[in-house]
Amino acid sequence: SQQGEEDPQALSIQEGENATMNCSYKTSINNLQWYRQNSGRGLVHLILIRSNEREKHSGRLRVTLDTSKKSSSLLITASRAADTASYFCATVFYNQGGKLIFGQGTELSVKP
Amino acid sequence: GAGVSQSPSNKVTEKGKDVELRCDPISGHTALYWYRQSLGQGLEFLIYFQGNSAPDKSGLPSDRFSAERTGGSVSTLTIQRTQQEDSAVYLCASSLGISGGNTGELFFGEGSRLTVL
Repeated sequence: SQQGEEDPQALSIQEGENATMNCSYKTSINNLQWYRQNSGRGLVHLILIRSNEREKHSGRLRVTLDTSKKSSSLLITASRAADTASYFCATVFYNQGGKLIFGQGTELSVKP
Repeated sequence: GAGVSQSPSNKVTEKGKDVELRCDPISGHTALYWYRQSLGQGLEFLIYFQGNSAPDKSGLPSDRFSAERTGGSVSTLTIQRTQQEDSAVYLCASSLGISGGNTGELFFGEGSRLTVL
């Protein structure tokens, strides 16, 4: 399967702590994207990192990419209760015209 | 439109009936995707369109599932002779694709929740 694998499947932290989620994939990619899903809603794009980038920041989000290990991590700093959601990585395959394959997701719970 | 629109938002049907789910993508988005999400699970890729053609139908679970896209815009996902295991949220997304420097970022609709009794 070309699907990304994420860990942990579930993460529970206190407000103010940092949350780290990891994603691994199997084949060469064009870029890797992270999405957030609130319960029962559609997904919202958070941040994208291209295959030639190693690190990217957006507000409290930091994403890294290690193409040699075929892995990425998403760090949310100073978490808030409103960050409670499921987070998915999605890989865009270079030779498949932009097809996105999603991982199983990490369910993050931030307790006030 | 301003965003991706899906209808119906909820559909309850009896086993064996056919259902049609509709997706209206963002205007100008050439790529359109269908995913399925069962309760508490990740997204299962079904099919994607580039324009009106579907380069990849590999995710369709069986020949009861079909999809079409007309005019490079609206898409319909049809499930024939529905089964209980078809119960899920069906998500549609659109994007500008990855040509011309685009990144393939997806914009999702709110989904169609299908319940097969």
